[in-house]
Amino acid sequence: EVQLLESGGGLVQPGGSLRLSCAASGIAFSSYPMSWVRQPPGKGLEWLSTVSAGGGNTYYSDSVKGRFTISRDNSKNTLYLQMNSLGAEDTAVYYCALCIISCLRGYVDYWGQGSLVTVSS
Amino acid sequence: QSALTQPPSASGSPGQSVTISCTGTRSDIGSYNYVSWYQQHPGKAPKVLIYEVTKRPSGVPDRFSGSKSGNTASLTVSGLQAEDEADYYCSSGGSNSGGSNNYVLFGGGTKLTVL
Repeated sequence: EVQLLESGGGLVQPGGSLRLSCAASGIAFSSYPMSWVRQPPGKGLEWLSTVSAGGGNTYYSDSVKGRFTISRDNSKNTLYLQMNSLGAEDTAVYYCALCIISCLRGYVDYWGQGSLVTVSS
Repeated sequence: QSALTQPPSASGSPGQSVTISCTGTRSDIGSYNYVSWYQQHPGKAPKVLIYEVTKRPSGVPDRFSGSKSGNTASLTVSGLQAEDEADYYCSSGGSNSGGSNNYVLFGGGTKLTVL
């Protein structure tokens, strides 16, 4: 069974930083691209970033480009999202997502359970 | 990169059919057959219903079907059941300036109510 387990969420002050992790199990993690998608409370889904299977190619939405960095450690079966210069608009549940075919096609096969990030003073 | 446009709400009675639209641009829906549809129940992660416009993953009932015309995609739910009451989101791959597919857009979501 494929499992994606996010961690690292919590309360952070405006302007602060946070790093999310997503540990994968039950699948050949290093073979598949991964994405981060977030959902503000009561609102819709927003794609943030995608990293290729090998980690060499990364893609970002305009809303987080320059502030967030996606990376992966295939030896640890773990995906990361480094978030800097956080603002209230970044408050959301953050999901990691695994794609069998291509994350950039918008087709996510597996989702994590989500990690809540709250930006507030 | 603007979000895809969905109606905020839709409704139907059990057994009826309902169609939800998703409108993009020629940079995303209009250029690629990369439209997916997701169902999300409260407090849960999304679940894919349709990918590549019309394909259903294993285990998704054939009551769910997808289509596309121009810059607009649609999800049709036939034979509505109580458990279909949920939020539905479309997504599409897109490209900047006609280059290769390099971003993803989601729609704002449609709340489906089964009357």
